[in-house]
Amino acid sequence: DIQMTQSPSAMSASVGDRVTITCRASQGISDYLAWYQQKPGKVPKRLIYGASSLQSGVPSRFSGSGSGTEFTLTISSLQPEDFATYYCLQHYIYPRTFGQGTKVEIK
Amino acid sequence: EVQLLESGGGLVQPGGSLRLSCAASGFTFNNYAMSWVRQAPGKGLEWVSSISGGGDSIVSADSVKGRFTISRDNSKDTVYLQMSSLRVEDTAVYYCTKGDTKTISYGGYDYWGQGILVTVSS
Repeated sequence: DIQMTQSPSAMSASVGDRVTITCRASQGISDYLAWYQQKPGKVPKRLIYGASSLQSGVPSRFSGSGSGTEFTLTISSLQPEDFATYYCLQHYIYPRTFGQGTKVEIK
Repeated sequence: EVQLLESGGGLVQPGGSLRLSCAASGFTFNNYAMSWVRQAPGKGLEWVSSISGGGDSIVSADSVKGRFTISRDNSKDTVYLQMSSLRVEDTAVYYCTKGDTKTISYGGYDYWGQGILVTVSS
């Protein structure tokens, strides 16, 4: 199975900060990588697909990059509504695997 | 507007069975693979099972293989998850998700249902 390792697992940040979350795959997955945002008690929402394509309707402050084994999700200027848990997902091979999540909290 | 509405969850004893349903609308159902993803209380996301648009390709996680069966009825725009021999560790919110493609080969999940809670407890 491909292991997806996110870092950090949790972080504190302030409104306006630039935030970067990393996801590393235990083997190459090309660009079959998606990022999801989940707020408490809510449904996961896809932000990024194909490692770097912005899902329709998602603010442009979110961006993704990477290919192969290392990927990043960047929030250019953190907004109050962005405090949530973020997950990466590899959809290159089965079993599909998610990262363990990164909780972004208010500093 | 894409909508996915799960039903069939609830409390069941260990060893019991339950069938989840997910009624889809807002897209051409048989053109897309569908999947189930679960989330145990306070935990992360875990992929469970996927089925292709035509229903001819199915894949499931080892943790549920032989116990859970995914299926779909394209005449009813509905996907199912038949769960048997349930264990305490199957307790989770189960999400129905829509795939990006008809096949299950490389697609991700773009739309998610609201989720339904399955509790396995004596």
